[in-house]
Amino acid sequence: ETGVTQSPTHLIKTRGQQVTLRCSSQSGHNTVSWYQQALGQGPQFIFQYYREEENGRGNFPPRFSGLQFPNYSSELNVNALELDDSALYLCASSKDRLYGYTFGSGTRLTVV
Amino acid sequence: DAKTTQPTSMDCAEGRAANLPCNHSTISGNEYVYWYRQIHSQGPQYIIHGLKNNETNEMASLIITEDRKSSTLILPHATLRDTAVYYCIVRVGTGANNLFFGTGTRLTVIP
Repeated sequence: ETGVTQSPTHLIKTRGQQVTLRCSSQSGHNTVSWYQQALGQGPQFIFQYYREEENGRGNFPPRFSGLQFPNYSSELNVNALELDDSALYLCASSKDRLYGYTFGSGTRLTVV
Repeated sequence: DAKTTQPTSMDCAEGRAANLPCNHSTISGNEYVYWYRQIHSQGPQYIIHGLKNNETNEMASLIITEDRKSSTLILPHATLRDTAVYYCIVRVGTGANNLFFGTGTRLTVIP
């Protein structure tokens, strides 16, 4: 079975721009969560999608938005990028929000 | 979700058991204890989880105290590849749950 794949692996954007990050969940998984990990910190929960509906959100502003598609892949969109948005963005999938999550290797976003 | 407290860093000699402690004194009856680890530049990796009984799998053992206020992750024979940041997380097992990571314990396995 394939794991969680994220694209792109690295990205450089300019402050004020918009970015879309993509995630393909592990086969059989219908839940996707997104996390932001700043340098030296643990991952911080952004939001979760379960069967195409948002199912929980962390303390992130509305300019962080997402989608989940019928095949359970997902996108994270960030508008009006700020320098502090520079981080590793992690996607994790699970089956029915239970048990352990499988994480992807992340997208490293740098905002300049 | 209950908060957890872990030491910032630990060292362990290669081949010896690594015992990583975690305090979760405010854990609720329906909260599970999960352990993940993150090797440099990779996503976190699930290790093990438990509710109140001790658990063992091919990677590690999880010992939860009877009052459930603390737990210990045991890597029985640490290797250099076990060098990573280890996160102890408590969470409700079902519902709109997610993982609240702290800063974890940085384990360094020394040759």
